[in-house]
Amino acid sequence: AQTVTQSQPEMSVQEAETVTLSCTYDTSESNYYLFWYKQPPSRQMILVIRQEAYKQQNATENRFSVNFQKAAKSFSLKISDSQLGDTAMYFCAFITNTGANSKLTFGKGITLSVRP
Amino acid sequence: DAMVIQNPRYQVTQFGKPVTLSCSQTLNHNVMYWYQQKSSQAPKLLFHYYDKDFNNEADTPDNFQSRRPNTSFCFLDIRSPGLGDAAMYLCATSVERGARDEQYFGPGTRLTVT
Repeated sequence: AQTVTQSQPEMSVQEAETVTLSCTYDTSESNYYLFWYKQPPSRQMILVIRQEAYKQQNATENRFSVNFQKAAKSFSLKISDSQLGDTAMYFCAFITNTGANSKLTFGKGITLSVRP
Repeated sequence: DAMVIQNPRYQVTQFGKPVTLSCSQTLNHNVMYWYQQKSSQAPKLLFHYYDKDFNNEADTPDNFQSRRPNTSFCFLDIRSPGLGDAAMYLCATSVERGARDEQYFGPGTRLTVT
C-alpha cells in the first residue's frame, strides 16, 4: 500500500522566520514524484514544489525548498522568510508513474499559521 | 485567466435528496478528477475521466456518479446523500495522467447534508 504520513497536525511560526514541515511516505515503486500542495483558507489548492524521485538534487522554488531523503523515504518542506500569506494547510503527496492507475496519494495535511 | 471553476461553492441538501456538483475548466485538459475531502483528512480520489473514458476508484460508493458531457465540464452526482457524505468536493484537471503533469485544483464545493 502507498501511504503518506504527516505527523504534525499544526505548526506556528513567526513572520520572517524559517519553518520545516515533515513528511514521510511509503511505496514499493522506484519511479515517482513528490509534491507539496498549499491550500489557503477558502481558496484552491496550488502546487508549491515538486521533486522527481530519480533526481538527487533537492528542488527549490524561491523561499521554498525540500530535503529529499530517498532511502529514508522522507520529504520535508522548508519555508524561509515566512510571510503572512504562507498561512495555509500544506499537503504532502506523491504519485507513481503507472499510466491509468497513476493517482495522487495525499497526507492528512498540516495547518501552518504565520504570526505577525 | 485559464482556471478550474466549481459551482456552487456551498451546497446544502437534505438527506436522501439527489444533488449535483459542477466543475468546468478553461485549460483544455484531458483529465478531470473528483476528490472528496472530509474535515482534517487527506483528499480522497473518487474517480477521474481521461477524455470520455471514466475511471472509478474501487472503493468509491455506488451512490457517487459522474458525467462529462464535453471537454470543459464534469459533474458529480450524489444519488442519495447521507450525513457521511458531508465534505468538501474538489475538482482537478491535468493535461495527461501520470506523474509528470501537475494537477490544477478548483476552489471546491462544501456540501452540507441536513
